[in-house]
Amino acid sequence: QSALTQPASVSGSPGQSITISCTGTSNDIGSYTLVSWFQQHPGKAPKLLIFEVTKRPSEISHRFSASKSGLTASLTISGLQAEDEADYYCCSYAGSTTRYVFGTGTTVTVL
Amino acid sequence: QVHLVQSGAEVKNPGSSLKVSCKISGGTVNSYTFNWVRQAPGEGLEWMGHIITTLGLTNYAQKFHGRVTINADESANTAYMELTSLTSDDTAIYFCSIGDFLHWGQGTLVTVSS
Repeated sequence: QSALTQPASVSGSPGQSITISCTGTSNDIGSYTLVSWFQQHPGKAPKLLIFEVTKRPSEISHRFSASKSGLTASLTISGLQAEDEADYYCCSYAGSTTRYVFGTGTTVTVL
Repeated sequence: QVHLVQSGAEVKNPGSSLKVSCKISGGTVNSYTFNWVRQAPGEGLEWMGHIITTLGLTNYAQKFHGRVTINADESANTAYMELTSLTSDDTAIYFCSIGDFLHWGQGTLVTVSS
C-alpha cells in the first residue's frame, strides 16, 4: 500500500487561505469516509485536526476545514497565522487488510 | 483527561529487539484501540499496527508482519509494541495513539546502530 500523495510544500501570507490536497486510490480515500488530517510541529507528536473527512475535535479552530471528492481529500486553512507553520499529514482507512495509510506530508510555510 | 506516557529513548544493536511501552492515565487500557505509528528522521508518518483491546484483536501493517507484536497489560494499564530483527531502517520515533488518533504519546526515539 503506497502512501497518499500530498504536495511537498504550500505557502501563504498571514490572513490568506491555503488548501492542501491528498490523493489516494479507490482502495482508500475513494472507498471510505474515514479521512483524518494531522498537524505536526517540529519535535512534537501529531495533533488531530480533522476526522471522518470533515469533523473537527472540539478544541480545533474553525479556521481548519476539510472535504473529499472522489480520490482526493483536501484541508483548507483560513486566516493563515504564523502558528500554522508546520507539517500536515492526511490519513485514510484502507480496508481490513491495510487498515491505515498516511500521506507523504506537506510543509506549510507562512510568508 | 486521557494522557499517554511512553518509555524513554533507546539505542539498539542491529538484529536485536525493541519493546516500547505506552502507559495510559485518566482511562483504562481495555477501553481503547492503541495504534502505533512511527516516523523515521525527516520522513513521514507510518502506521504499524494496533490492538483493539475491547476485542483482544490485533492488526499489523503488512510491512511489519512477523516482526511486530502489540499487546496490552490491564494490570499495568499499559500497551506495548515489540519489534524484532532491528536494522538501521528501524531508526525512528515511535508513537502510540488512541481514540482514533485523538490522543498521542510523546514519542520514543529509537536508534539502531552498531
